[in-house]
Amino acid sequence: EVQVVESGGGLVQPGGSLRLSCAGSGFTFSTYSMNWVRQAPGKGLEWVSYISTSSSTIYYADSVKGRFTISRDNAENSLYLQMNSLRDEDTAVYFCAKALRFKNYFDYWGQGTLVTVSS
Amino acid sequence: EIVLTQSPATLSLSPGKKATLSCRASQSVSSYLAWYQQKPGQAPRLLIYDASNRATGIPARFSGSGSGTDFTLTISSLEPEDFAVYYCQQGSNWALTFGGGTKVEIK
Repeated sequence: EVQVVESGGGLVQPGGSLRLSCAGSGFTFSTYSMNWVRQAPGKGLEWVSYISTSSSTIYYADSVKGRFTISRDNAENSLYLQMNSLRDEDTAVYFCAKALRFKNYFDYWGQGTLVTVSS
Repeated sequence: EIVLTQSPATLSLSPGKKATLSCRASQSVSSYLAWYQQKPGQAPRLLIYDASNRATGIPARFSGSGSGTDFTLTISSLEPEDFAVYYCQQGSNWALTFGGGTKVEIK
């Protein structure tokens, strides 16, 4: 069974940092691109970042560019999101999402981890 | 950035009725469009990709159509479990973008 499980969310002050993790299982992690997608409370979905299988291609939404860094460790079947200079508007549930093979869509999602940025 | 506009914002229908949801792109995305279903407190679920292909395990009552800038998700006969929020998403250009969602509620 394919599973992706996020961890690392919590309460952080504006300007602070947080690192999210996502553990993949039930599939060959190293052969699938991965993404982070977020959802602010009561709002819609916002794509955050993409990383290719070998980490050679990375994309970010303009809203997080220069502050967030996506990475992966294929040996550990893990995906990461390092979030720096956090703002109030970064408050959201962050989902780890596996990409459909060779497509820019998301076929498996974790349950999400809540990041709250507040003083 | 490609903007996706979904309509209507809310659709009130009874079980057994047909639901028609619209998604319009600010520029052509060819057929690179997906639809997701999200229920409260849950992660989204992929329903349709490449405009008209059903994802694994999705019932046949869900169908997608369209290309270019205008797309439609049709639920042929609403089941109780279909009342949820539906999002479209374009996979044509970086940055990937989602529509604002259509809530399908019980009338």
